[in-house]
Amino acid sequence: DQQVKQNSPSLSVQEGRISILNCDYTNSMFDYFLWYKKYPAEGPTFLISISSIKDKNEDGRFTVFLNKSAKHLSLHIVPSQPGDSAVYFCAASGGQGAQKLVFGQGTRLTINP
Amino acid sequence: DTGVSQDPRHKITKRGQNVTFRCDPISEHNRLYWYRQTLGQGPEFLTYFQNEAQLEKSRLLSDRFSAERPKGSFSTLEIQRTEQGDSAMYLCASSPTRDINTEAFFGQGTRLTVV
Repeated sequence: DQQVKQNSPSLSVQEGRISILNCDYTNSMFDYFLWYKKYPAEGPTFLISISSIKDKNEDGRFTVFLNKSAKHLSLHIVPSQPGDSAVYFCAASGGQGAQKLVFGQGTRLTINP
Repeated sequence: DTGVSQDPRHKITKRGQNVTFRCDPISEHNRLYWYRQTLGQGPEFLTYFQNEAQLEKSRLLSDRFSAERPKGSFSTLEIQRTEQGDSAMYLCASSPTRDINTEAFFGQGTRLTVV
């Protein structure tokens, strides 16, 4: 049972434009959501998070939006830069497994010059 | 402290052999996690320690897998009688306990190949 889903395996965006990565979840007990970025041969690097008491969190070029009624979150990157090319993972925690993260399958973002 | 450290970075082993991986978390972090990542998938939770106590184990962690965290510092993950299906990236992460919700910091992983 895939509790966190990223339905787009890949996304290609022009440099300078907005990148929007999407994530859906099914477990209503999740109350904390994170985005990680991963380069090849490296571990995931934390990018930004949001608690379920908020619907938006912003950090520089990165903004995460949370729609609890739709069980959907998205990561906006603007403007997109070539160094943003990586695999992005959505993750969630909460409920009985409060200490562990449940990850989506990832979306490979490619920023074209 | 430069972050979470994992050793070795790569391991190739023959089927049936035992392997052990080591993880050194960020020094002030009390929580330590092991995850496994296969190609095209996100990391999957294996087990979690709060100091030296192993508090949760995934059903993915068969009886061939054992993890320890003596003295609440570094941790080891041992796989006995390795199988080809064990080939994956094994990731260690740590986090502080000051908040219930906080990000986990990942190491670079150990890539295991079972031949």
